Amino acid sequence: DTAVSQTPKYLVTQMGNDKSIKCEQNLGHDTMYWYKQDSKKFLKIMFSYNNKELIINETVPNRFSPKSPDKAHLNLHINSLELGDSAVYFCASSPTSTRNEQFFGPGTRLTVL
Amino acid sequence: AQKITQTQPGMFVQEKEAVTLDCTYDTSDPSYGLFWYKQPSSGEMIFLIYQGSYDQQNATEGRYSLNFQKARKSANLVISASQLGDSAMYFCAMREAGFSGGYNKLIFGAGTRLAVHP
Repeated sequence: DTAVSQTPKYLVTQMGNDKSIKCEQNLGHDTMYWYKQDSKKFLKIMFSYNNKELIINETVPNRFSPKSPDKAHLNLHINSLELGDSAVYFCASSPTSTRNEQFFGPGTRLTVL
Repeated sequence: AQKITQTQPGMFVQEKEAVTLDCTYDTSDPSYGLFWYKQPSSGEMIFLIYQGSYDQQNATEGRYSLNFQKARKSANLVISASQLGDSAMYFCAMREAGFSGGYNKLIFGAGTRLAVHP
């Protein structure tokens, strides 16, 4: 199926650990994004890559590091996890076009204990 | 400043009736796009409808239509003939052109939770 996929879907971990979330899209899109949805359902962009190049970097703690090995993949690595990092993390992709409709992955629910 | 405002935290509607979800936006960019996404309880984000700032006609996609009033900076979503499966969170979002060298992010509103009653 053509889609944006994320792994894992659920991630439960202890404070202080390091974890990664992987994202892959097979839609042939040039641009990929990471969004964070907090407990109040508010969605906010974190990062965006275009053809493996970082183009958007919002005010995000430097414990969060995105990596794009190729334009179909955008991974998110989080160091020294904190309680406040608990959220749902969405990966998205879009073609480079005027419309720029973004297609979202299923989300990864991260719980930090 | 709040760029996207959804003033209705929750709405309910009877099955088969129409419902309007409000969205107002703020931008000084003449070129922008407006989107509506649906998030059911299962959590995925589903694209519903898009309106470009230069589009002359209101966008429609099946039972969804966007009531675009540019002068009032509003982009309300109208769902006709509501179905039980329409119960979900609905997010309005805006994309501004020319951001970060031409690449764009979506700015989301706080969302409206819609409940469809039988």
